[in-house]
Amino acid sequence: NSKVIQTPRYLVKGQGQKAKMRCIPEKGHPVVFWYQQNKNNEFKFLINFQNQEVLQQIDMTEKRFSAECPSNSPCSLEIQSSEAGDSALYLCASSLYIQDTQYFGPGTRLLVL
Amino acid sequence: AQSVTQPDARVTVSEGASLQLRCKYSYSGTPYLFWYVQYPRQGLQLLLKYYSGDPVVQGVNGFEAEFSKSNSSFHLRKASVHWSDSAVYFCALKTGSSGSWQLIFGSGTQLTVMP
Repeated sequence: NSKVIQTPRYLVKGQGQKAKMRCIPEKGHPVVFWYQQNKNNEFKFLINFQNQEVLQQIDMTEKRFSAECPSNSPCSLEIQSSEAGDSALYLCASSLYIQDTQYFGPGTRLLVL
Repeated sequence: AQSVTQPDARVTVSEGASLQLRCKYSYSGTPYLFWYVQYPRQGLQLLLKYYSGDPVVQGVNGFEAEFSKSNSSFHLRKASVHWSDSAVYFCALKTGSSGSWQLIFGSGTQLTVMP
């Protein structure tokens, strides 16, 4: 079973508000991925890190989304100005190597009213 | 472009019956394939994975999957389902092309096991 920890489990924000969620990867896993799963079960890759460095991110995250994985602190994903379309389950996954199996956390369910 | 198709959005079976969930992928190279399960209000749990070798891979809780390069398929099977297997099952593909290692997911199959 995965040992990826995500907090909070649920997050409710108004439009225009900041939304921040955190992820602690499995111990010893330097690679972290963030995905967005919408209500239609469509997954969108957002960003990934190896240690503290961004390896790849999609254009969406360069505007309202920001993420970081500081040393000795949880990784985080923040939406600067939430929109209704951001309502989704945000999943964090970690792996030992970039090409290795990804293990997922329970997700943070964001509702933007 | 790489893609994953799960043609069955919903599958209903009786407890104790056998199960097959279908997955087709599109990728010209050698794929890395996964099956994940998602229980209500939870994240994704890995059932099994295929990287290379024996095309039949065993997973947790009695699940297995068979890779077919000729059919571009990676179907999930279980000989006898239990009511607790009710969940959404996702097939996923990872290719590593262009240095990208993110997972490409199918749309999922909602499995309902009737008692």
